[in-house]
Amino acid sequence: KAGVTQTPRYLIKTRGQQVTLSCSPISGHRSVSWYQQTPGQGLQFLFEYFSETQRNKGNFPGRFSGRQFSNSRSEMNVSTLELGDSALYLCASSLEGATGGAPLHFGNGTRLTVT
Amino acid sequence: AQSVTQLGSHVSVSEGALVLLRCNYSSSVPPYLFWYVQYPNQGLQLLLKYTTGATLVKGINGFEAEFKKSETSFHLTKPSAHMSDAAEYFCAVSDGAGGSYIPTFGRGTSLIVHP
Repeated sequence: KAGVTQTPRYLIKTRGQQVTLSCSPISGHRSVSWYQQTPGQGLQFLFEYFSETQRNKGNFPGRFSGRQFSNSRSEMNVSTLELGDSALYLCASSLEGATGGAPLHFGNGTRLTVT
Repeated sequence: AQSVTQLGSHVSVSEGALVLLRCNYSSSVPPYLFWYVQYPNQGLQLLLKYTTGATLVKGINGFEAEFKKSETSFHLTKPSAHMSDAAEYFCAVSDGAGGSYIPTFGRGTSLIVHP
């Protein structure tokens, strides 16, 4: 079974621009979560989508948004990029979401650098 | 609210020595507990998880962890370190409080293995 696929692997953007990251979950997984990983803050939860609906949301500004398509693929968008948005963005999928101890399956991430 | 504390941002051991990575959690209800490993330029991979039942949990690559409710701990051990174990290790807790099972991750412990 193919794992979680994130594209692109690397991105370099300029302050003020916007960016879209893509995530294809493991086949059959309906839940997709997004995390931001930085050396200073560690792993921070952004949001979770389940069956095309945002089910949980972390404490990030409205510049961070996401969506999920009917095939469970997900995208996240960051508008008006700031230098502090430079991070590794990780996508994780799960069969039914983070319920009952179900583990998350992570992709290899998208490394975003904002200059 | 759930929280996780990983003691020691870096742990250094010699090849063949015991590995002990510490994790303490805070949760208002019985939690689900996880250990994940992250190799350079990769996403997180599940090592093991505790849901219910036996308090000693065996995972992949020879790792195991013991759930101690009285100490609110879930320390990760491996009897004999191998060079390939060098990576970042994350402890995570998920307790479903408030209806959300989104896990909270610790800040991570970098395991360094010396030849």
